[in-house]
Amino acid sequence: AQSVTQLGSHVSVSEGALVLLRCNYSSSVPPYLFWYVQYPNQGLQLLLKYTTGATLVKGINGFEAEFKKSETSFHLTKPSAHMSDAAEYFCAVSERFGQAGTALIFGKGTTLSVSS
Amino acid sequence: KAGVTQTPRYLIKTRGQQVTLSCSPISGHRSVSWYQQTPGQGLQFLFEYFSETQRNKGNFPGRFSGRQFSNSRSEMNVSTLELGDSALYLCASSSGWDEQYFGPGTRLTVT
Repeated sequence: AQSVTQLGSHVSVSEGALVLLRCNYSSSVPPYLFWYVQYPNQGLQLLLKYTTGATLVKGINGFEAEFKKSETSFHLTKPSAHMSDAAEYFCAVSERFGQAGTALIFGKGTTLSVSS
Repeated sequence: KAGVTQTPRYLIKTRGQQVTLSCSPISGHRSVSWYQQTPGQGLQFLFEYFSETQRNKGNFPGRFSGRQFSNSRSEMNVSTLELGDSALYLCASSSGWDEQYFGPGTRLTVT
């Protein structure tokens, strides 16, 4: 079974500082990986995804992530944090059941706080 | 394109009752998945429907069920509610094998 580990349940940064949210996965097949963001009282919004091809993927709001197979990692970064980035972030791996569809397996989430 | 919609947004029920939640996927999406989100267990997969058929199911008791209609709208039902069923229930739709788009969720409180 696939799994996702997010290191650090809370990360605090200053506005303008680098954001680094860590994600490691376990998968027996080439993984499809995702980062989602959740603002209070809202659903999940897709930030970016990795399926195949280029290992550095760019997403919305200036976020990017790099797939490193040798390290089984998919860390999320943003060069300069903004107050509006404060939210909860979830890393997920897609578990595929052949022709029987897929299910997202999520990490426990990381709450990002941004101070001025 | 309109996003995924879920109704109702908030619901309060009593232990032992049953509840039905509704989800309308993005137009053209045939796959609908449901997830439960709680502070203790995080986000957990409930089940996925595709063309009115349940394709796979997570590790939840039989009290949790769902269905999908010919227009791809989906409902999930929880019978004999327990306090532990209090959660945010999220619906997601997909057109294929990769990204899923989530609705705003239904916040269920069981008292």
